[in-house]
Amino acid sequence: NAGVTQTPKFRILKIGQSMTLQCTQDMNHNYMYWYRQDPGMGLKLIYYSVGAGITDKGEVPNGYNVSRSTTEDFPLRLELAAPSQTSVYFCASSSATGQSEKLFFGSGTQLSVL
Amino acid sequence: DAKTTQPTSMDCAEGRAANLPCNHSTISGNEYVYWYRQIHSQGPQYIIHGLKNNETNEMASLIITEDRKSSTLILPHATLRDTAVYYCIVRGPYNTDKLIFGTGTRLQVFP
Repeated sequence: NAGVTQTPKFRILKIGQSMTLQCTQDMNHNYMYWYRQDPGMGLKLIYYSVGAGITDKGEVPNGYNVSRSTTEDFPLRLELAAPSQTSVYFCASSSATGQSEKLFFGSGTQLSVL
Repeated sequence: DAKTTQPTSMDCAEGRAANLPCNHSTISGNEYVYWYRQIHSQGPQYIIHGLKNNETNEMASLIITEDRKSSTLILPHATLRDTAVYYCIVRGPYNTDKLIFGTGTRLQVFP
């Protein structure tokens, strides 16, 4: 299994541009998450999904959109990029089949908005 | 979800046990204690979790006090590759939107 795969690994955007960060998992996990991590800080939850067709906001959803049309894919969309969105973005998934769950993370996308 | 308090940084000699403490004094009865680590700028990696009893796996041991207000992650024989930021997280069951990562403990393992 490849686990959680994120593309691209690096990207530079100009202010106002848009882009989609891709995330796919091959573990048949029903739960998926997007986090962002600013330098020296912990991770903040942007959006999450408990299954195909179901998404919900996390701590910092403004400026982002998500969709979940399949179990495997959970893309994150930035419509009008701003310098404040310069960060490292991590996608994660979990099975959440019991009372406890552990998250599996991708390797991240480093995004700079200039 | 309960907040956690961890030291900002710790050092450990290679081959020695690394004991990373975490305080979670407001933890409630159904909340689990999770530990993750993040090596350099990689994605966080799950280490271990527990509810009441002490737990051990191939990576580490988790010791939870009887009152559950604190816990310790033990890496029995630290190696240079264990240098990372370690996050202690407390969350309840089925609470998908509250896996909150603080700033963690930066563990430096030295030769």
